[in-house]
Amino acid sequence: DADVTQTPRNRITKTGKRIMLECSQTKGHDRMYWYRQDPGLGLRLIYYSFDVKDINKGEISDGYSVSRQAQAKFSLSLESAIPNQTALYFCATSDSAGGSGDTQYFGPGTRLTVL
Amino acid sequence: AQKITQTQPGMFVQEKEAVTLDCTYDTSDPSYGLFWYKQPSSGEMIFLIYQGSYDQQNATEGRYSLNFQKARKSANLVISASQLGDSAMYFCAMREGYNDMRFGAGTRLTVKP
Repeated sequence: DADVTQTPRNRITKTGKRIMLECSQTKGHDRMYWYRQDPGLGLRLIYYSFDVKDINKGEISDGYSVSRQAQAKFSLSLESAIPNQTALYFCATSDSAGGSGDTQYFGPGTRLTVL
Repeated sequence: AQKITQTQPGMFVQEKEAVTLDCTYDTSDPSYGLFWYKQPSSGEMIFLIYQGSYDQQNATEGRYSLNFQKARKSANLVISASQLGDSAMYFCAMREGYNDMRFGAGTRLTVKP
């Protein structure tokens, strides 16, 4: 089984709808991240969490919220989806005890389309 | 300001040849990490290689090596003996200190048979 899983893998929704993307990991990592990917822009950080009680805004947090329900679970919500939130969303994890590298490992991605 | 720059939107290489993907970065933090990720057409992000700013030697992982030139602030990825399966998007990323990671826009590599 994959170490980092995301559900759903694909989602089509309408403008104004609330949607939640979920991420679970079995790597035992304490840090979790949400990114979005748009063509030509690479990945941009939305939110990140260094532990269950620590949530931080990333580069593009407006229009999004997150919840860290447990060490292994980190969900991303779009309270009122809009078309320019159509993108590929990635969850990632890293281990703070992993040394200076702090390499991030990514889930398979969720392709979200907002009509 | 752009932290990570990948100037090659697309690259072509003949199978079995080596290819270099460019990455330059901008930071004033003495402690940073540089990463390369591969994204095949299936969409997942695969970690390839890491270089720390204090590492004296260039990182290597199998056919991947990172040509780290600290004074020039460049961290180019070298893929030796290219294979058809190397065709993908490649992203360079940097983490400064304990801050979040920033990604470049990516380079699309196509390996020709």
